[in-house]
Amino acid sequence: GDSVTQMEGPVTLSEEACLTINCTYTATGYPSLFWYVQYPGEGLQLLLKATKADDKGSNKGFEATYRKETTSFHLEKGSVQVSDSAVYFCALSPNTGNQFYFGTGTSLTVIP
Amino acid sequence: DAGVIQSPRHEVTEMGQEVTLRCKPISGHDYLFWYRQTMMRGLELLIYFNNNVPIDDSGMPEDRFSAKMPNASFSTLKIQPSEPRDSAVYFCASSKLSASEKLFFGSGTQLSVL
Repeated sequence: GDSVTQMEGPVTLSEEACLTINCTYTATGYPSLFWYVQYPGEGLQLLLKATKADDKGSNKGFEATYRKETTSFHLEKGSVQVSDSAVYFCALSPNTGNQFYFGTGTSLTVIP
Repeated sequence: DAGVIQSPRHEVTEMGQEVTLRCKPISGHDYLFWYRQTMMRGLELLIYFNNNVPIDDSGMPEDRFSAKMPNASFSTLKIQPSEPRDSAVYFCASSKLSASEKLFFGSGTQLSVL
């Protein structure tokens, strides 16, 4: 069945370091791919999305490119800030159906 | 719009008691989802509704869990009787048109069953 596998955490980085959180997926057809972010004590909120191969989603300095050949959607940011500390979830939604499949989440802590 | 509203934010109860969690989706959204989040299992879909009708409840753990959506602006998730292993954060989310659209999450209900 459809699923998402993302990099285990926790991840701790210094401010201004580069970030990559790996995400790979298994799906039939052409799913939409998402990154959601969860700040402490809050619900998840959409960070970025991509709906077809080679699309790049971007928001708040974060980017992820939909790579069909490697079935990946890695999250990247060139220079992290303390305010980026949160849990990041990769997610997939098949275009045939009304489901979301979430990864297990990767906790990021950025230290000054 | 105020977003997805869940209540209560925190619930502490004793084993065997009935627990009711509440959700008000964003007005105009056709889909409503209930998720449970734990450290061990991550984010699990329990059930989702389309136009107030339950579509997929395969994620509901057992008969102790039930969910209703009597109208477009209100849903409940009930656990009766509650058990300590039900302790988790329960999220409600809604979306417009289809689930491949963006999901809007509430702030969650932190449930502790003692």
